[in-house]
Amino acid sequence: EDKVVQSPLSLVVHEGDTVTLNCSYEVTNFRSLLWYKQEKKAPTFLFMLTSSGIEKKSGRLSSILDKKELFSILNITATQTGDSAIYLCAVEAGWANNLFFGTGTRLTVIP
Amino acid sequence: DADVTQTPRNRITKTGKRIMLECSQTKGHDRMYWYRQDPGLGLRLIYYSFDVKDINKGEISDGYSVSRQAQAKFSLSLESAIPNQTALYFCATSDARTGLDQPQHFGDGTRLSIL
Repeated sequence: EDKVVQSPLSLVVHEGDTVTLNCSYEVTNFRSLLWYKQEKKAPTFLFMLTSSGIEKKSGRLSSILDKKELFSILNITATQTGDSAIYLCAVEAGWANNLFFGTGTRLTVIP
Repeated sequence: DADVTQTPRNRITKTGKRIMLECSQTKGHDRMYWYRQDPGLGLRLIYYSFDVKDINKGEISDGYSVSRQAQAKFSLSLESAIPNQTALYFCATSDARTGLDQPQHFGDGTRLSIL
């Protein structure tokens, strides 16, 4: 059974802290791993990772994939209150390349 | 980015009623998806479609049906709603025509409550 596990389930930090969110997976026919940020509405796309060891960056956010150990991390440096959200990890896999989602990590950044 | 519009945004209804949720998109993406999100369970795939009239079951299709009569529209129906179908429903689209990896883009969701 395809499985995506995120940790921690929730996290509370102070503004300025650096956080690392984890995503591990066991799927058939892996194609890519995606990170999304979900505030009050739609999940919004952050990163798509297909190759091991290549870091993707966008401002204070970065992510990397390890296809040998089957995990990815999402780093956020110098956190701000606007980073408060649920961060979803999803793996594209299977014959139809569908997305399998983890349950998410709820990040709360307090001033 | 795809403009994905879901209607209604919120709906409260009673057990046994027939419900239809609509999704439309303006970017001409070929693939469309319906998910539900429940606390502690993440997003789970209900149905997906790769083209007009193409319908495929996802992880949790029982109790649901879909229709894709036009490329821009993908509707989800609950023929006889039950309380455990109370959830946040998302529509998503993606573009597979280029052959390159493309992310799915989500609508703002429909919050459905069944009493």
